[in-house]
Amino acid sequence: QSVLTQPPSVSAAPGQKVTISCSGSSSNIGNNYVAWYQQFPGTAPKLLIYDNNKRPSGIPDRFSGSKSGTSGTLGITGLQTGDEADYYCGTWDSSLSYVVFGGGTKLTVL
Amino acid sequence: QVQLVQSGSELRKPGASVKVSCKASGYNITNYAMNWVRQAPGQGLEWMGWININTGTPTYAQGFTGRFVFSFDTSVNTAYLQINSLKAEDTAVYYCGREDYKCGGGSCYLDPWGQGTLVTVSS
Repeated sequence: QSVLTQPPSVSAAPGQKVTISCSGSSSNIGNNYVAWYQQFPGTAPKLLIYDNNKRPSGIPDRFSGSKSGTSGTLGITGLQTGDEADYYCGTWDSSLSYVVFGGGTKLTVL
Repeated sequence: QVQLVQSGSELRKPGASVKVSCKASGYNITNYAMNWVRQAPGQGLEWMGWININTGTPTYAQGFTGRFVFSFDTSVNTAYLQINSLKAEDTAVYYCGREDYKCGGGSCYLDPWGQGTLVTVSS
């Protein structure tokens, strides 16, 4: 049981937009920044978004992040088949003094 | 460039120990902490804890105390994860991840990650 809640899967057609939600509480997302990671099968996670909405160098602007209250959202526009991967949200939990992750969302581009 | 390179896959019998390494390059290691994350087969990411490179002080998440040991050798810029008294349920991919000591201040993210080390525990 993950501290952060994500939908197990989302899907959309190529070229479309998709959003992935990440729900937490005041001890984690509510008072800390959200990060998002992309993981392809058999490879390591890669940082996609940090501090709610910042993109590391090299990440296309098709990927965006936002936060409202105790929830974060990852948005991906102009979907490509190469975006098919698992996406994880993560943040700091101030009560646990832990890094916490969501359970992951599998994106399928139909 | 900044990178973390982990040691290769390991196969151990129950009750044995294993030591996974994570070699850092391309940055000043004292400016960053090293985190460890476990991913069991078909499962999500689970944070194991981190080690303060400056002080050598490890912090372990619940469920990773006792048999798990984080360490760092500054002479070779390498972090280590040792798992003792291995159990079948320790079978997983273990990742190291760099973090810039900002988690307590609310800005918490791991970048980059090592490529992962598969540890298989089987008799």
